Amino acid sequence: AQSVAQPEDQVNVAEGNPLTVKCTYSVSGNPYLFWYVQYPNRGLQFLLKYITGDNLVKGSYGFEAEFNKSQTSFHLKKPSALVSDSALYFCALLLWGSYIPTFGRGTSLIVHP
Amino acid sequence: EPEVTQTPSHQVTQMGQEVILRCVPISNHLYFYWYRQILGQKVEFLVSFYNNEISEKSEIFDDQFSVERPDGSNFTLKIRSTKLEDSAMYFCASSEEGTSYNEQFFGPGTRLTVL
Repeated sequence: AQSVAQPEDQVNVAEGNPLTVKCTYSVSGNPYLFWYVQYPNRGLQFLLKYITGDNLVKGSYGFEAEFNKSQTSFHLKKPSALVSDSALYFCALLLWGSYIPTFGRGTSLIVHP
Repeated sequence: EPEVTQTPSHQVTQMGQEVILRCVPISNHLYFYWYRQILGQKVEFLVSFYNNEISEKSEIFDDQFSVERPDGSNFTLKIRSTKLEDSAMYFCASSEEGTSYNEQFFGPGTRLTVL
């Protein structure tokens, strides 16, 4: 069975500092990996995805994520956090050939001014 | 920018009542999905729908649940006899294609509270 873990319920970071939101996965097979963001009273919005190729993926709003197969991780990063980045972040996994994602529990990112 | 919309934003119902949650997917999308998220837990897949029929469903999607695309724009989730444990946020999503790497576009959700 496949699973996604987001080990931190909440991440706090000061504005201007780099941020990391962690995601690890477990799957037998090759994964597609996604990050979604959810702002208050809004649906999940797609940020970025890893399909194949370059392990470093760049996405919307200056976010990037690095696929690390040996560590089975797909951490979300941004060099300089903004207060407006405060939101709920979800990591999701798809097996090749499937279109039903498995989501993590979500991590609340709080960026302090 | 086109977006998925959902109504109502919050639905309160009595246990045993029927509820219908409504979604308007993005107009040129062909694949539709329902997910739910119980407070503090993971987002869970319920069902996917394509070409006017269910293409995949999870164990959660039992006989109490049904989906319908009654016209060219709406996509509905019906719960026939609600239970307390159905209380959750329900998200509708749509995608242009049903391939694995096509991202899904989510609506803002309907918060269902069963009393």
